[in-house]
Amino acid sequence: GAVVSQHPSWVICKSGTSVKIECRSLDFQATTMFWYRQFPKQSLMLMATSNEGSKATYEQGVEKDKFLINHASLTLSTLTVTSAHPEDSSFYICSARGEEAYEQYFGPGTRLTVT
Amino acid sequence: LAKTTQPISMDSYEGQEVNITCSHNNIATNDYITWYQQFPSQGPRFIIQGYKTKVTNEVASLFIPADRKSSTLSLPRVSLSDTAVYYCLVGDIPSGGSYIPTFGRGTSLIVHP
Repeated sequence: GAVVSQHPSWVICKSGTSVKIECRSLDFQATTMFWYRQFPKQSLMLMATSNEGSKATYEQGVEKDKFLINHASLTLSTLTVTSAHPEDSSFYICSARGEEAYEQYFGPGTRLTVT
Repeated sequence: LAKTTQPISMDSYEGQEVNITCSHNNIATNDYITWYQQFPSQGPRFIIQGYKTKVTNEVASLFIPADRKSSTLSLPRVSLSDTAVYYCLVGDIPSGGSYIPTFGRGTSLIVHP
């Protein structure tokens, strides 16, 4: 099946710094990518929907200026957490969908810890 | 209004068959039902997808009654490695662009020795 990768798999950063997380579709072109956040013992919460070449659509309550999403190509979307704070510590998961995919392909996730 | 409702947790033993039921009373005509498995600190993994009746693959079966208001994921002869959270999602997948995978609370399955 299709593969989606994320980089890094985990990252520790200091409060106030910015962190970029990459999501790549390795063997297909992803016209749409989704970014989720998951806190311990909770479900995946959709943060934003990203379409190649256009601005991301953010879910209510997600600060678009804090969580910058760029989907510059059909195989890469990035999520940048700006001015990170300890409450941003979470597990961030991306997923990708091709033009005719009936499945949603998820990445392995990125564990962000802000100290 | 939640699109899906699942039991929060289930317990089973190795070798048993496990059935996890998901309620989706407001399922639309074009909606498909998809189940995912998630291990701690990993992304969700696709298990099975269906529209009606029964679907079977190498890891699970999916039973969907005629009214499609619920579905049951059946895991035959579970092992310890099946301990995970299982999510049921419904959505108009064939529509492509308008389908946004939305996760409910999921069912935490614990398999005991």
